[in-house]
Amino acid sequence: AQKITQTQPGMFVQEKEAVTLDCTYDTSDPSYGLFWYKQPSSGEMIFLIYQGSYDQQNATEGRYSLNFQKARKSANLVISASQLGDSAMYFCAMREANKFYFGSGTKLNVKP
Amino acid sequence: NAGVTQTPKFRILKIGQSMTLQCAQDMNHNYMYWYRQDPGMGLKLIYYSVGAGITDKGEVPNGYNVSRSTTEDFPLRLELAAPSQTSVYFCASRLQGPPYEQYFGPGTRLTVT
Repeated sequence: AQKITQTQPGMFVQEKEAVTLDCTYDTSDPSYGLFWYKQPSSGEMIFLIYQGSYDQQNATEGRYSLNFQKARKSANLVISASQLGDSAMYFCAMREANKFYFGSGTKLNVKP
Repeated sequence: NAGVTQTPKFRILKIGQSMTLQCAQDMNHNYMYWYRQDPGMGLKLIYYSVGAGITDKGEVPNGYNVSRSTTEDFPLRLELAAPSQTSVYFCASRLQGPPYEQYFGPGTRLTVT
C-alpha cells in the first residue's frame, strides 16, 4: 500500500488566492511526522512545514499551513495569497522511525 | 557552512560501468540519506545511515551500496549500472529529533545508456 498519496497531479490557482494541496498517508505507527517540500523547476528541495503526530495544533509557517486531520489520515497544505513564485512541484512526505516516504507530487501553476 | 554537497552534478555511464556518487555535509548531522527521483515522480529512499558505521536499506536498495566511515561523508556506489538507474540522486542529512527537517544536496543527474 502507498504510504503517501497525492491525488492532484496538477493544479492552477489565480495569483493572490488561496490553494489547498491534498495529501493522505498510511501508517500504523503512533509516532510519525508529516512534511511538505517545494521543488522549483531548478530542482532543489525546499522544506516548507512540519507536523508531528502528537502536535495538537496545526502547523503554520508564514503563508503555509498544514491542515492535519489525524482520524482521516490527511495532511493538506494550504498556501494563502498565492504568488507567481509559488509555481513549483509540491511533495508531501512522512517520517516513520528513521525512514521517509514521499508522495508523487502536485504541480502547482499560479496564474497572473 | 556549505551544507550538503554532492559530486558530480551530471554523469553519463555506459551499461555495466560502476561509479560512486559523493555526498558530504558540514553540519555535524548524524542522519544521512540517499534518494532517487525518477522523472515526474517523488523521491524514493535508497539507503540511510544513523551514524558513522551504521547503514540500513530503504525502499529501493537493489543495485546500490553505501558506506559511512565518517560523520561527514556518505558515498553511494552503483555497481553494474543499468538503464533503470537513470535518475536524479539526492543526498540529505538531518539532526536527531524534531522537526526532523532534512537538508538536501543539489542532486546528481545520472544517465545510463
